[in-house]
Amino acid sequence: EVQLVESGGGLVQPGGSLRLSCAASGFTFSSYWMHWVRQAPGMGLVWVSRISPDGSSTTYADSVKGRFTISRDNAKNTLYLQMNSLRAEDTAVYYCARVPPSTRYMDVWGQGTTVTVSS
Amino acid sequence: DIQMTQSPSSLSASVGDRVTITCRASQSINTYLNWYQQKPGKAPKLLIYTASSLQSGVPSRFSGSGSGTDFTLTISSLQPEDFATYCCQQTYSIPNTFGQGTKLEIK
Repeated sequence: EVQLVESGGGLVQPGGSLRLSCAASGFTFSSYWMHWVRQAPGMGLVWVSRISPDGSSTTYADSVKGRFTISRDNAKNTLYLQMNSLRAEDTAVYYCARVPPSTRYMDVWGQGTTVTVSS
Repeated sequence: DIQMTQSPSSLSASVGDRVTITCRASQSINTYLNWYQQKPGKAPKLLIYTASSLQSGVPSRFSGSGSGTDFTLTISSLQPEDFATYCCQQTYSIPNTFGQGTKLEIK
């Protein structure tokens, strides 16, 4: 079964750090672009970051650039999001999603992990 | 960034109704437009990709159309399980942007 499972969310104080993980199974992880998308409470979906299949290319939303780092370990079939200098506005459910080769749509999503930034 | 505007923001309809949701892009995005369904507390589910292609396993009552800046998602005959929030996404350019969502409620 194709599956993405996020973990690592939690409550963190403003200015703190957190690392999210997304464990992939049931498909050839190293062939897929991977993305992080977040959703603040009661709000819409917002794209956060993406990484190429080999990890050599990364892109970020302006709102997280310089604070968040996306990475992957293809040997462990795992995607990461290192989040530093967290702000209250980073509070959201964070989803990882895959994009199949030669396509531009997110066909499989994880169940999400909740990040709450509050003192 | 490309802005995606959906209308309506919410919609009340009955089982069996035909429903259309519209998504407009702030500039041409060719057909790089996807539609997702999201239920409370759940991850988005891909319904339609590249404007009109039905994702595998999605019922044929869902259809999409459009190109350039104007797109529609149509549900031909609403079923009880279709009451959810629907969201469009452009993947023409980075950052990929989403519409604000259309909440489909039972009348």
